[in-house]
Amino acid sequence: TQLLEQSPQFLSIQEGENLTVYCNSSSVFSSLQWYRQEPGEGPVLLVTVVTGGEVKKLKRLTFQFGDARKDSSLHITAAQPGDTGLYLCAGERYYGQNFVFGPGTRLSVLP
Amino acid sequence: IAGITQAPTSQILAAGRRMTLRCTQDMRHNAMYWYRQDLGLGLRLIHYSNTAGTTGKGEVPDGYSVSRANTDDFPLTLASAVPSQTSVYFCASSDFTSGRYNEQFFGPGTRLTVL
Repeated sequence: TQLLEQSPQFLSIQEGENLTVYCNSSSVFSSLQWYRQEPGEGPVLLVTVVTGGEVKKLKRLTFQFGDARKDSSLHITAAQPGDTGLYLCAGERYYGQNFVFGPGTRLSVLP
Repeated sequence: IAGITQAPTSQILAAGRRMTLRCTQDMRHNAMYWYRQDLGLGLRLIHYSNTAGTTGKGEVPDGYSVSRANTDDFPLTLASAVPSQTSVYFCASSDFTSGRYNEQFFGPGTRLTVL
């Protein structure tokens, strides 16, 4: 059983569309991170959210941490082909401890 | 260029053979990690080290061992490889400070196939 679930598993959209991907758990996390991974490379950190209800923006990407710190969402506005990749969420169960990763959402943005 | 290097890039290995995956970082990070990535399962932590000279078990440690003789190097050894260890292996490092969340920097990965 996965501690972190991500949905959808796969998403294929046209350039310019908006999308939201979700990261859900029954566990509470002290922080949650989002990574993007491109084929043949390691994941790269996009953002860390720490406070329940926190919203962070990174250009066209908006990240939200749920009030109860059990879930998170990533919203992309006007998706571009360069957004294509595997999006991974990772939750930290206790401060200073190791992260657990979700299975990822594979996004394909078609020109 | 600063970062993490892994070797080899890929390897095909006969079952029962011993194999060491190498990982070196030049960022002077105190913490290092080994993950395996399998389709549909995401990244799973194998072993970690919060500082040179110490190691700990992650979620899936069986069949793997690590050592941390110095800050820069964190090799992962498969003593007797089995087909279920076929995976992509990622090494990561972070500037870990107890009580603070940490950004992990990942290497490019090693693709291992055990036949």
